[in-house]
Amino acid sequence: ETGVTQTPRHLVMGMTNKKSLKCEQHLGHNAMYWYKQSAKKPLELMFVYNFKEQTENNSVPSRFSPECPNSSHLFLHLHTLQPEDSALYLCASSQEWGTYEQYFGPGTRLTVT
Amino acid sequence: GQQVMQIPQYQHVQEGEDFTTYCNSSTTLSNIQWYKQRPGGHPVFLIQLVKSGEVKKQKRLTFQFGEAKKNSSLHITATQTTDVGTYFCAGITGAGGTSYGKLTFGQGTILTVHP
Repeated sequence: ETGVTQTPRHLVMGMTNKKSLKCEQHLGHNAMYWYKQSAKKPLELMFVYNFKEQTENNSVPSRFSPECPNSSHLFLHLHTLQPEDSALYLCASSQEWGTYEQYFGPGTRLTVT
Repeated sequence: GQQVMQIPQYQHVQEGEDFTTYCNSSTTLSNIQWYKQRPGGHPVFLIQLVKSGEVKKQKRLTFQFGEAKKNSSLHITATQTTDVGTYFCAGITGAGGTSYGKLTFGQGTILTVHP
């Protein structure tokens, strides 16, 4: 519907696992974002890529590692996560980083056991 | 750091009643955006306000940007059950010139509408 797809939609992983979240946008945008949405907390911006360059890293722990191979694809590599990392992880894209409206994907619901 | 506060956190209304959510920033904003997230869904962009004192309308929704560009509001007239969801404001600071600015979301207002 929004032109931004995310896989998987649900993920359960142990604290010692390594997994990756994938995001793809079909809108021709140049900026892509990872957000974390936890219960009772505002949307937390994690990473921003603008024209494939990382422009924001909001003090995110190193157990989260982003990768942006091209302007249409964004990955979030996960390893040795903690239970408090359980949340909805949303990907978004916009024309460019800054004052443009963002289009969100459906999110990946992550549970860390 | 910059904070964007949104009130109320929850609002329960009867269908047909009006609803307002308020957004306040600790710093002057360049722009402000509003998003709606339906239950189980993802945020969807509603509107962006740029000018001091700006007012924009979308059918039953009225958006305002304060004169000092530090606050904003969203007002829904005669709510309907389709208005259910969480409404987020997102303030942008530092945009202009060569700076892209920084976007910070408020914590959202959860609206329930009783038929």
